[in-house]
Amino acid sequence: LAKTTQPISMDSYEGQEVNITCSHNNIATNDYITWYQQFPSQGPRFIIQGYKTKVTNEVASLFIPADRKSSTLSLPRVSLSDTAVYYCLVVRMNTGFQKLVFGTGTRLLVSP
Amino acid sequence: EAGVTQFPSHSVIEKGQTVTLRCDPISGHDNLYWYRRVMGKEIKFLLHFVKESKQDESGMPNNRFLAERTGGTYSTLKVQPAELEDSGVYFCASSQDPGDGDEAFFGQGTRLTVV
Repeated sequence: LAKTTQPISMDSYEGQEVNITCSHNNIATNDYITWYQQFPSQGPRFIIQGYKTKVTNEVASLFIPADRKSSTLSLPRVSLSDTAVYYCLVVRMNTGFQKLVFGTGTRLLVSP
Repeated sequence: EAGVTQFPSHSVIEKGQTVTLRCDPISGHDNLYWYRRVMGKEIKFLLHFVKESKQDESGMPNNRFLAERTGGTYSTLKVQPAELEDSGVYFCASSQDPGDGDEAFFGQGTRLTVV
């Protein structure tokens, strides 16, 4: 599976839009991108996943350019409660079970 | 609907003792996974059950770790004897179908401290 690289940490303020970019240069044709969020003392929680272009749900948007070598998680108007670690993962499609391979994640700190 | 629950939330044991962690997956989820994060490291996969069968246990660190899922419902992870390097947070997750984007639901984790 493609290795992912993302910033170790990011700082933001309430109400701002936060964009976290993940690099996955060696992504394969049958790989897709998944993002998880983890709050302190909790397990990771699925946020969003996509294969290409743009995916949006009630929590976030995921932008994937045509070459798919990177992806950007966009959190609109963050609040203090969005302070968490965000993990970008590459998962292979159509191969049955896929264990999740977590990297270091991006620690987002939202301040008042 | 209840999520994935893990028990205990914290456990402090002495080196050489035995500890058993329990995970109750979401009802109806055939797939159950164990992960762990040891201090300063990334979250790592340990093993995967499909119902009561071990599908992949490639992440189990050594034979001091034993996972079971009798009856295909809850699972236990026993560490015997525990060593200092086993300290960390152990997560359990479950999903309906494996792979293909089916999201995994994680429990809150069990923080294990071996002293």
